[in-house]
Amino acid sequence: AQSVAQPEDQVNVAEGNPLTVKCTYSVSGNPYLFWYVQYPNRGLQFLLKYITGDNLVKGSYGFEAEFNKSQTSFHLKKPSALVSDSALYFCAVRDPPAAGNKLTFGGGTRVLVKP
Amino acid sequence: DAGVTQSPTHLIKTRGQQVTLRCSPKSGHDTVSWYQQALGQGPQFIFQYYEEEERQRGNFPDRFSGHQFPNYSSELNVNALLLGDSALYLCASRLRTGTISGELFFGEGSRLTVL
Repeated sequence: AQSVAQPEDQVNVAEGNPLTVKCTYSVSGNPYLFWYVQYPNRGLQFLLKYITGDNLVKGSYGFEAEFNKSQTSFHLKKPSALVSDSALYFCAVRDPPAAGNKLTFGGGTRVLVKP
Repeated sequence: DAGVTQSPTHLIKTRGQQVTLRCSPKSGHDTVSWYQQALGQGPQFIFQYYEEEERQRGNFPDRFSGHQFPNYSSELNVNALLLGDSALYLCASRLRTGTISGELFFGEGSRLTVL
């Protein structure tokens, strides 16, 4: 079974500093990896995805993620964090099309950006 | 262009009752998935519908059932509610032909509380 792990329950960062949210994955074939963000009492918003191609993926709101096959990681990054980036972030892996395309999510990392 | 819409947004039920949650997919999308998000956890896949049939199912009991209508909207039904069914229920949609690169679009969710 495919899985992702987010080793940090919470990340604290000062506004203007770089933000990194960690994710490692375990898959049997090619990974289809995603990042979503969830604001309080809201649904999930798509940030970015890695399907194939460049290891550095650029997404919404200034976020990017680096796919590292040797370390089986897909860390989310933002060069300069904003207070409004405070939210819950989820890494997810999608089953391949032949297996149905469902998403398997990590447990989430809460990001707190302090002014 | 309306995104994924869910109703109701909040509801309270008692143990043993039954609940129906509703979802309208994003315009142009034909595939609907349901996820359960317990407090403090990542979303868990319940099932996926397209062409009005359940195509994939997660590890949920038969008390959880669903339906997809010809207009692609969907319902999630939960019978014999347990306290542990209290959660945010998320509906997500996508266009099936985008099976490799298409991301899921999530609704705001229905918050179910079972007393």
